[in-house]
Amino acid sequence: DQQVKQNSPSLSVQEGRISILNCDYTNSMFDYFLWYKKYPAEGPTFLISISSIKDKNEDGRFTVFLNKSAKHLSLHIVPSQPGDSAVYFCAASGPNTDKLIFGTGTRLQVFP
Amino acid sequence: DAGVIQSPRHEVTEMGQEVTLRCKPISGHDYLFWYRQTMMRGLELLIYFNNNVPIDDSGMPEDRFSAKMPNASFSTLKIQPSEPRDSAVYFCASSLMTGTMNTEAFFGQGTRLTVV
Repeated sequence: DQQVKQNSPSLSVQEGRISILNCDYTNSMFDYFLWYKKYPAEGPTFLISISSIKDKNEDGRFTVFLNKSAKHLSLHIVPSQPGDSAVYFCAASGPNTDKLIFGTGTRLQVFP
Repeated sequence: DAGVIQSPRHEVTEMGQEVTLRCKPISGHDYLFWYRQTMMRGLELLIYFNNNVPIDDSGMPEDRFSAKMPNASFSTLKIQPSEPRDSAVYFCASSLMTGTMNTEAFFGQGTRLTVV
């Protein structure tokens, strides 16, 4: 049972445009959400997070939006750059657990 | 700090053999996680430790899998006997609890396991 879902396995975006990566979750107890970025042959690295008390968090070109009623979050990258090409994982955790539950990942390709 | 260190980076073994994956977490971190990455399930949590104590091993797929953390600076994930379907990339990660918030986990580079 996949509690965190990334339904788009891949996304292709032109350089300079906006990339929007989506993530859905099923557990309403989740209260902390993170996005990780993974390059080939490397471990995932933390990108940005959001607490459930907020609906938006911004860090430079990266913005995460949280819609608790829809149990949906998204990562916006604008403008997209070729160096953003990677696999992006969303993850969630809840108040009664210390573990991070990850989605299946979305492979983003930014082309010139 | 050098980050989370995993060894080996690559492991190829024959079905039925024992495989041991190793992890050195970031010094001072009190949580250690073992994940497995597959195409179908993404990053799947296998087990995690807090202060060297296993807290949740519900993700361990079978009794063939076991994990230990004998001290704060070392953990192992063992598969015995290994099977071809265990082939995946295994990641170790560590994090630090500050107040009531678990900070983001830092991942090692992973061990790519191939069982033939």
